[in-house]
This record gives sequence, C-alpha cells and structure tokens, in this order.
Amino acid sequence: DVKVTQSSRYLVKRTGEKVFLECVQDMDHENMFWYRQDPGLGLRLIYFSYDVKMKEKGDIPEGYSVSREKKERFSLILESASTNQTSMYLCASSLGTPVYTQYFGPGTRLTVL
Amino acid sequence: AQTVTQSQPEMSVQEAETVTLSCTYDTSENNYYLFWYKQPPSRQMILVIRQEAYKQQNATENRFSVNFQKAAKSFSLKISDSQLGDTAMYFCAFMAVNTGNQFYFGTGTSLTVIP
Repeated sequence: DVKVTQSSRYLVKRTGEKVFLECVQDMDHENMFWYRQDPGLGLRLIYFSYDVKMKEKGDIPEGYSVSREKKERFSLILESASTNQTSMYLCASSLGTPVYTQYFGPGTRLTVL
Repeated sequence: AQTVTQSQPEMSVQEAETVTLSCTYDTSENNYYLFWYKQPPSRQMILVIRQEAYKQQNATENRFSVNFQKAAKSFSLKISDSQLGDTAMYFCAFMAVNTGNQFYFGTGTSLTVIP
C-alpha cells in the first residue's frame, strides 16, 4: 500500500512565523502535491512537483513556497504565516502515467494565531 | 479551465438504502479521468472509484458504482446498501491527461448514514 505521511497532525503558530510542513511518500512516486482544504471550497492546489527540484504553481500559490530536494519528500513553506492561512493542508502523491490516482496523507490542521 | 460542481452540500440516507451523489464537470478536453474520493471524519482521504473517459462502461467497486454520462458531463456516485462507515465527505475530482496530472476537485458532499 502507498503510504503518505505528514510531519504533524496539528500545528499552532503565531502570525509572522516561518512554518514548515513536510510530506513523505514511500512508493517512489514522481508527482507530489500540496492542497489546502477549507469548508465549502473543497481542495485547492497550492503547488505541485513533477520531479526533484521541480515545482509548479497551482491555483493559490501566494504566500507559500515549496521544496523538493529528494524524490520522496515535498515540503510546504509559509514564509510569514498569517491568520488567513489557518486551514487543513493535505499532501498527495501519484505515479503519473498510466496510473493517475493521487494518494493522500492524513493532513495537517494549521492554526495561525 | 476545468470546473467540477457538486450541487449537494449535505445528504443523508438510511442504513441499507441506496443514495446517489451528483457531480458535473466542464471541460473541452477529450482525454481525462474522473474520481470519487471519500474523507471520513478526522481520517485520511481515500479513493473510492475512478473512471477513464474513453471507457464507455461504468466503473464499479463492490457497493459503489458510477453513472458516467460523457455527453452530459455528469459523473454521479451510487452507494448501495449504505453502511454507517460510509458516513464521510465525498469529493468528485477531474484530471485531464495533458494538464500534467493536476486534479480539480468539487466542493464536496457530506453524507450521513442514519442507523
């Protein structure tokens, strides 16, 4: 079974802090994704990565950056956390062609005070 | 741009009954995949079922089946013999093959199975 893990289930940070969310997958997947999930808005893509050191902006990249130094690890960085970044953050990975299914981690619920 | 619409924010069903969750999408692409994901309360999102657009036959997975109407751009999920463990948020998702594996999700339907 594919396993996607995220570094924290719950995180509380203060406004202006730098926040790191880490995601690790164990199935040698090429593609990794970061989403934020908000009630009534579904999942919105922040960034994704096709390969090591490659990244692409999703629909809502403002205020976020990412890092993928190793194939199995994809980090989401909030350079200066703000209260409107309080949300559930989900990481996912996929093999790509021909199996496009995304496998999700358990999520990190981030609260910015 | 692709859009996915789930018009039912909340639904409920009696245990052992059948329920259908609706999903429509908008795209000009011809080669794409559709997915239903389930997110139980405080638990991980998991794949329920997927459908390749080029396949005319509707996908089925045990009690879960889809009604894929390509011309109407409709992709509904039918859950038969509903069980308490089916209580969850259900998300419909779309992926066009030539857009780099990017998924587009609907806003979700919260399903409650009533004992």
